Amino acid sequence: ETGVTQTPRHLVMGMTNKKSLKCEQHLGHNAMYWYKQSAKKPLELMFVYNFKEQTENNSVPSRFSPECPNSSHLFLHLHTLQPEDSALYLCASSQGGPDEQFFGPGTRLTVL
Amino acid sequence: DQQVKQNSPSLSVQEGRISILNCDYTNSMFDYFLWYKKYPAEGPTFLISISSIKDKNEDGRFTVFLNKSAKHLSLHIVPSQPGDSAVYFCAAHNYGQNFVFGPGTRLSVLP
Repeated sequence: ETGVTQTPRHLVMGMTNKKSLKCEQHLGHNAMYWYKQSAKKPLELMFVYNFKEQTENNSVPSRFSPECPNSSHLFLHLHTLQPEDSALYLCASSQGGPDEQFFGPGTRLTVL
Repeated sequence: DQQVKQNSPSLSVQEGRISILNCDYTNSMFDYFLWYKKYPAEGPTFLISISSIKDKNEDGRFTVFLNKSAKHLSLHIVPSQPGDSAVYFCAAHNYGQNFVFGPGTRLSVLP
């Protein structure tokens, strides 16, 4: 499999649930990103990892917890989310800096 | 306050004509600008970029123009094709930090 993959593609969860989003890149990149796209709002950068180290956290609430076990995998652990967290969550990867990021197809999350 | 603005939510252009997508930014520290294209149910794909030291970059049918004094950039697509119909996002960062996307412009190329 090539490119950036994300699972699941769709997720519905209750406010008390705990779930995880998974991202995997097969491009040999060393940087990975989580973005959130809410309806009628621009893409918002959430987290950046470079060589497995978190280098950017854009004031994301602690109910979102990222994990980067290696340069190819990125997780977003979700717990006690709110309905306003319903959005499309996109993962991306790049080699070196943030230019020319390759995006996955996204996970459509609905919080009930 | 949005640092990257795309004031036209949508644009319709006849096939074969030029499409011009505009983007304005407020942060004078941005030094690199990018355009991404997004089809439904897919993630954005990188299209073209420009460094702040340049005022034009061309790649096939796509040309990006940067006017730093006006804090404005534009993407020109010529000739436009129906397959270009998508949402186009402008993005910017300063030395790899503060990566910001605009809200996007939906381009429809009519056959």
